[in-house]
Parts: sequence; structure tokens; C-alpha cells
Amino acid sequence: TQLLEQSPQFLSIQEGENLTVYCNSSSVFSSLQWYRQEPGEGPVLLVTVVTGGEVKKLKRLTFQFGDARKDSSLHITAAQPGDTGLYLCAGPLTGANNLFFGTGTRLTVIP
Amino acid sequence: GAGVSQSPSNKVTEKGKDVELRCDPISGHTALYWYRQRLGQGLEFLIYFQGNSAPDKSGLPSDRFSAERTGESVSTLTIQRTQQEDSAVYLCASSLYGDYEQYFGPGTRLTVT
Repeated sequence: TQLLEQSPQFLSIQEGENLTVYCNSSSVFSSLQWYRQEPGEGPVLLVTVVTGGEVKKLKRLTFQFGDARKDSSLHITAAQPGDTGLYLCAGPLTGANNLFFGTGTRLTVIP
Repeated sequence: GAGVSQSPSNKVTEKGKDVELRCDPISGHTALYWYRQRLGQGLEFLIYFQGNSAPDKSGLPSDRFSAERTGESVSTLTIQRTQQEDSAVYLCASSLYGDYEQYFGPGTRLTVT
């Protein structure tokens, strides 16, 4: 059983379209992070959300943390081919030293 | 400044051989993590080092896996008697103490034939 379930698992869209990726859990997280990983590279941190209900914007990317701190979403507006990659959510559980990573969403943006 | 570096970038080994993977964290980062990523999957936690404290080994899949870290610098992950199911990308990350924002290296792709 995965602590963090992401959906969809795969997403292929045309350039210019909007999309939303979801990260859900039955557990409460003190914070959640979103990473993007490109082939042959390690994940790169995009954002950390800490407060329930928090919304953060990073250019065309909007991140939201659920009120109960059990879920998060990533919305991309007007997707571009450079957005292509594996999107991972991750969070620490209380008392844990490590991050638990989600199952990942592989996004392909077609020019 | 320099990021997290890992070596080798690729390693092909025969089943049953031992391998050593190396990680150089960002200078000043006291926390260091090792993860495993199988093809098409998310990251699986292996081990965590924090300063001079005893490492958290709760994620190591078997006693064939071990890791060491010298102070707050280089770490090595050793896999003994490699098996085909060990084939994966091994990622290292570092962070400031108490800060969960981790910075990852490019990984070592291990292929066991």
C-alpha cells in the first residue's frame, strides 16, 4: 500500500492545454513537496506547502495543500513541452526521518 | 555552488559481485539519504544519516545492503552478492538538518546481468 497515491499515472496532452495532477493519502502530513524528475537526472524540488489550504503559484504552476493536510494538487496552465517529466509528491510522516514519495505522474506535453 | 554528485553514473555488474556507489553531498548539509528507484516507479527510501547520530537503516531491503558515511561528507552504499532485482537507479540526496527540502544527485544506474 502506497502512503501517497498520485493520479493520473500517465498523462499525455497537447501544448497549450491545462492539466491537474493529484496526490492523495489517508495520512496527515506536516508538509508536502512536489518534485519534477527528467530522464537521467535526480528529482528537483519545485515547491513545499506547509499550511492546510495553502496555495502557492510558481509561474504557470499552482500548488494546493488540502485543508486536512492529506492531499495536494498541482495545476499547470498552458502546458509547454518543457513541462514534460515525472512529477512526484513527497512528504514526511510525524517521527520519520525520510520523505515518503508518491507513485508519480509521468507527463508528456506534445508540441 | 556544487550540487550533490554521485559516482559512477552507470555500473554494469555480474550477478553475485559486490558494488560500491558513492555520494558527495552539498557542503554544509548534515543530512544524507539514499533512495532506490526501479524503472517507471517512485522512490523507495533506503537509509538516512544525520550528523554523527546512528543511521536510520529501516529502509534497507536485506542484509546485503549497507552504507557508511564519514562525518558529514562522503557516503558509500555497498550491495553485496548483487541480484538481478537490485537493478535500479540509486539516488542520493542531502539536506540541512531539520529541513526536509532535499537536493538530489543525478543517480547511479545499476544493471545486474
